[in-house]
Amino acid sequence: DGGITQSPKYLFRKEGQNVTLSCEQNLNHDAMYWYRQDPGQGLRLIYYSQIVNDFQKGDIAEGYSVSREKKESFPLTVTSAQKNPTAFYLCASSIGGYAYGYTFGSGTRLTVV
Amino acid sequence: GESVGLHLPTLSVQEGDNSIINCAYSNSASDYFIWYKQESGKGPQFIIDIRSNMDKRQGQRVTVLLNKTVKHLSLQIAATQPGDSAVYFCAETYTNAGKSTFGDGTTLTVKP
Repeated sequence: DGGITQSPKYLFRKEGQNVTLSCEQNLNHDAMYWYRQDPGQGLRLIYYSQIVNDFQKGDIAEGYSVSREKKESFPLTVTSAQKNPTAFYLCASSIGGYAYGYTFGSGTRLTVV
Repeated sequence: GESVGLHLPTLSVQEGDNSIINCAYSNSASDYFIWYKQESGKGPQFIIDIRSNMDKRQGQRVTVLLNKTVKHLSLQIAATQPGDSAVYFCAETYTNAGKSTFGDGTTLTVKP
């Protein structure tokens, strides 16, 4: 079955540590996205990539980094510079262009301990 | 900047009733709109979409209405069921945007 897989489902980070969230898709989608969701709030865009080896900052990119070396993969690193990283992180992909919906992964819940 | 807003953060309905979830958007350049459903602890799922050259689009038990004059979008769910309980988001985008902008969501609770 085609889909988008995020791992791990739960992640605990100590203050000052960098952590990397995995996102893999086998849908042959060109575009991939990372969103952050805080309790009771909507989705805020962190980074997005419309093609391999290219990505753009979203609305809240500070303290995060990404790479897009393969079409299937778009990992997100939450760095120690992100002061409030506890949140639910969602990865999504789409065919590309603008008039297509997203397919979302099941999310990673990151908690700072 | 761009924003997509929902009129009500929460909505409670009786099982079997029809539900209407509203969304206001501010970017007049937006020409493609999507409704997503997010169940607790899961990622959002695509429900239905509509392009700006349409006023109405129907799916299975769901209808999306678009009023470009007042920049308003609504999702109607017929014969609401307990399984419809979730958070519903609208999203907007436009040509060459490369990304969608999401509203804050409406939490729908269906009472048995």
